[in-house]
Amino acid sequence: QSALTQPRSVSGSPGQSVTISCTGTSSDVGDYNYVSWYQQHPGKAPKLMIYDVTKRPSGVPDRFSGSKSGNTASLTISGLQAEDDADYYCCSYAGRYTLVFGGGTKVTVL
Amino acid sequence: QLQLQESGPGLVKPSETLSLTCTVSSGSIRSANFYWGWIRQPPGKGLEWIGAIYYNGNTYYNPSLKSRVTITIDTSKNQFSLKLNSVTAADTAVYSCARVGGDFTYFDSWGQGTLVSVSS
Repeated sequence: QSALTQPRSVSGSPGQSVTISCTGTSSDVGDYNYVSWYQQHPGKAPKLMIYDVTKRPSGVPDRFSGSKSGNTASLTISGLQAEDDADYYCCSYAGRYTLVFGGGTKVTVL
Repeated sequence: QLQLQESGPGLVKPSETLSLTCTVSSGSIRSANFYWGWIRQPPGKGLEWIGAIYYNGNTYYNPSLKSRVTITIDTSKNQFSLKLNSVTAADTAVYSCARVGGDFTYFDSWGQGTLVSVSS
């Protein structure tokens, strides 16, 4: 069970859109529609932003959206705001009651 | 609103056992709809899933840690616990407990996390 692959960092100006990729294998991301995304500000607990690839929990702005194609899932933040400056982690169900995280992506709002 | 709080020693010696407890409040750990999990984050690094437990005691572990991890549950106290044995400096991390929802597919509520350092 290897960690999912995410870019180390992405950046954008306020109002722009950024997309974070999360690449796994046919045994995790590619085999299940159970990818979730978490936002983490420094020193804080992670916060669930997207689950089941595309679903947003109550209270999460619709600027956050998720998608998946093959073994790669993506998180898109539209209309980037200063408070979106944070680390983002993807996570996938990997079968047999196991879960695997990505290495994390630092989003910088310029 | 559901709250989770980790507790336990912040310093453990190499080769010894790391022990943490997560206390759940404003919600029942006996819920059939959720599992209860542990995740860790080494300083400056990413998240790693450690394992999870169901209210009936069924356990599920990360294969890479399975040989050293034990997770237990005490429904009478609304708590679940983590033991990681034979620790090394590589086990230094912030350890967090979380509720696992969606039939074991996402973490919808997290504790604040507690730093455990492994050092002599």
